[in-house]
Amino acid sequence: QSALTQPASVSGSPGQSITISCTGTSSDVGSYNLVSWYQQHPGKAPKLMIYEVSKRPSGVSNRFSGSKSGNTASLTISGLQAEDEADYYCCSYAGSSTFDVVFGGGTKLTVL
Amino acid sequence: EVQLLESGGGLVQPGGSLRLSCAASGFTFSSYAMSWVRQAPGKGLEWVSAISGSGGSTYYADSVKGRFTISRDNSKNTLYLQMNSLRAEDTAVYYCAKDPGLTRELPSNTFDYWGQGTLVTVSS
Repeated sequence: QSALTQPASVSGSPGQSITISCTGTSSDVGSYNLVSWYQQHPGKAPKLMIYEVSKRPSGVSNRFSGSKSGNTASLTISGLQAEDEADYYCCSYAGSSTFDVVFGGGTKLTVL
Repeated sequence: EVQLLESGGGLVQPGGSLRLSCAASGFTFSSYAMSWVRQAPGKGLEWVSAISGSGGSTYYADSVKGRFTISRDNSKNTLYLQMNSLRAEDTAVYYCAKDPGLTRELPSNTFDYWGQGTLVTVSS
């Protein structure tokens, strides 16, 4: 399975909203409502932000939301804050005949 | 509090072997699938392998199939990754990650807790 496609970088000012896209194929993103998103600060482990396309784990701010249309999933962060500056990775189930998971290449979010 | 603590990383020559461990606490270990996810220096995340809660089902990325073996000892609350025939491209930080149990004890692509990672360097 090829990696999912994400923009290398996005930026926004505090208080603004940004959206990070994650494009896959009909074999992964397009076939399953099983997209998750992870936030990773430098030198730290990833943190789950969104699962099953649009569900937020307990403790994750409601400023983070997820959606999907066709083969493309999206993560939207509203009311940008300085602490949102991090790398973001999407992830999709990609199994057909066997279990498989594919990540996106990651997007660096810069808060200006 | 859920805690995952990886160990066993280090420097190994190409063709060598290494066994990673992940000690889990704060949850009923046997009830949850677990995965290994790696990150090469300066690169993105790559799923490596997953195992069901009972240990009866295992899954591998094509890049490691036939070289890596995932296992678990539920009596010791510990996850393992045996890595053989290591290559330079296996150099990465290896994270163990817990599945939230959305599909009972079977693995998914959701990882709700991660360890701090252990660095594996394959070089001569």
